[in-house]
Amino acid sequence: DAKTTQPNSMESNEEEPVHLPCNHSTISGTDYIHWYRQLPSQGPEYVIHGLTSNVNNRMASLAIAEDRKSSTLILHRATLRDAAVYYCILTGSRGGSEKLVFGKGTKLTVNP
Amino acid sequence: DSGVTQTPKHLITATGQRVTLRCSPRSGDLSVYWYQQSLDQGLQFLIHYYNGEERAKGNILERFSAQQFPDLHSELNLSSLELGDSALYFCASSVDVDSYEQYFGPGTRLTVT
Repeated sequence: DAKTTQPNSMESNEEEPVHLPCNHSTISGTDYIHWYRQLPSQGPEYVIHGLTSNVNNRMASLAIAEDRKSSTLILHRATLRDAAVYYCILTGSRGGSEKLVFGKGTKLTVNP
Repeated sequence: DSGVTQTPKHLITATGQRVTLRCSPRSGDLSVYWYQQSLDQGLQFLIHYYNGEERAKGNILERFSAQQFPDLHSELNLSSLELGDSALYFCASSVDVDSYEQYFGPGTRLTVT
C-alpha cells in the first residue's frame, strides 16, 4: 500500500478556513485519494475522494497537486464540530475501497 | 447516524472467553468490513465480506472469525480472548464491492479483564 504522511496535529480558529496537507509521493497512477475523519467517540466518517481533479462536496474541497504527490483537504469555515482526526488514505485501482489503511492522521483542534 | 448498527455498545469479559459482535449494514449495502481500533495499533482492517462471501483479509488473528449471513448482517467472533484484544471494533458497510464510501457504525468497545 502506498504510504501517506500527515502532520500529527493542527489548530484552527472557528469560522476560518483550514488546509490539511497530505503527502503521498509514492502514489501510483490509479490510486484514489480518500479522506475520512473520526470525531471523538465515533466511527470514521467519509469526507471526500478524488483521482486527479480537484473535488468539492458539501463537507469540504480536495485539492490535488498536478503531480499527484500531495493533496490538501480544505474546510472552508471550520466549526467546533469539525474537531476530529483526519485521515488521508490511498486506495487501489478502480477507486475500490475494499480495504482502508488508516495511518495516524492529523488531529485538528478548532478554537472558539 | 450512518445507518450502520452494532451491538452491543460495550462488552466486558474475562480472558479466555469468547464473544460475538454483531453488525447490521445500511439498507441495501452488500459489503461489510470489520476494523479494530486500539491505542497502540490505531485503526486496522480485519476482514471484508461481500454478499455473504469473504473478499479480503487483513491482520485478523486466527482466534477471530467472521461471517455474513443471507440477510447481510455480519458477526465477528472473538475467542480465547487476551488482554490485548481490548479495543474498539468497528463495522462498516458499502453499497458494492468497490464503492468509494464506507459507512461506519458506532463501534463496540470490548474490554477484556
